[in-house]
Amino acid sequence: NAGVTQTPKFQVLKTGQSMTLQCAQDMNHEYMSWYRQDPGMGLRLIHYSVGAGITDQGEVPNGYNVSRSTTEDFPLRLLSAAPSQTSVYFCASTRGGGEQFFGPGTRLTVL
Amino acid sequence: AQSVTQPDIHITVSEGASLELRCNYSYGATPYLFWYVQSPGQGLQLLLKYFSGDTLVQGIKGFEAEFKRSQSSFNLRKPSVHWSDAAEYFCAVGKRETSYDKVIFGPGTSLSVIP
Repeated sequence: NAGVTQTPKFQVLKTGQSMTLQCAQDMNHEYMSWYRQDPGMGLRLIHYSVGAGITDQGEVPNGYNVSRSTTEDFPLRLLSAAPSQTSVYFCASTRGGGEQFFGPGTRLTVL
Repeated sequence: AQSVTQPDIHITVSEGASLELRCNYSYGATPYLFWYVQSPGQGLQLLLKYFSGDTLVQGIKGFEAEFKRSQSSFNLRKPSVHWSDAAEYFCAVGKRETSYDKVIFGPGTSLSVIP
């Protein structure tokens, strides 16, 4: 039981490049989320999904896309990277009642 | 609007001393309440949670938290801190949306422990 896995752990992009952050969970949770973590701001919700085929925007969705074709996978796409997207990104899988299980994070730098 | 404040950005305590981390929330009803811990370079791990019932909640690693409705607070405590407790601590508030438990995180409190 691996829990929530994220790849890559680190990534450096140039402005304008695109990439996909991968997230997978093996707990059969319906709810999954993407957060970004910036110093002094806690975690801010980017996008979330309540099940396969269903996604919705969170607090800071601009510049990001998501899809959920299976229960296990919830990739986050950066369409055209900007320096403001330099951050640490966490994927979370949620059991009923709001308790969340987090992946180890992806540290992204956009030059 | 739902919000969470953690008044202390950084706290330093000596090993063996007691600890209290403050958390205040703004919400119209009784929310779900959580404390998470993040060790350097790691994801977040749940320490404890409050949904209903007994207002004193026990968690992992010797932590406890008390829900005080009148003060809209959910402070985290530990009677004797260990050097391994040095980490970032996040308070979070959740509420039931139509199909999702929306969770809002506070800004975090960084804990340093002096040996």
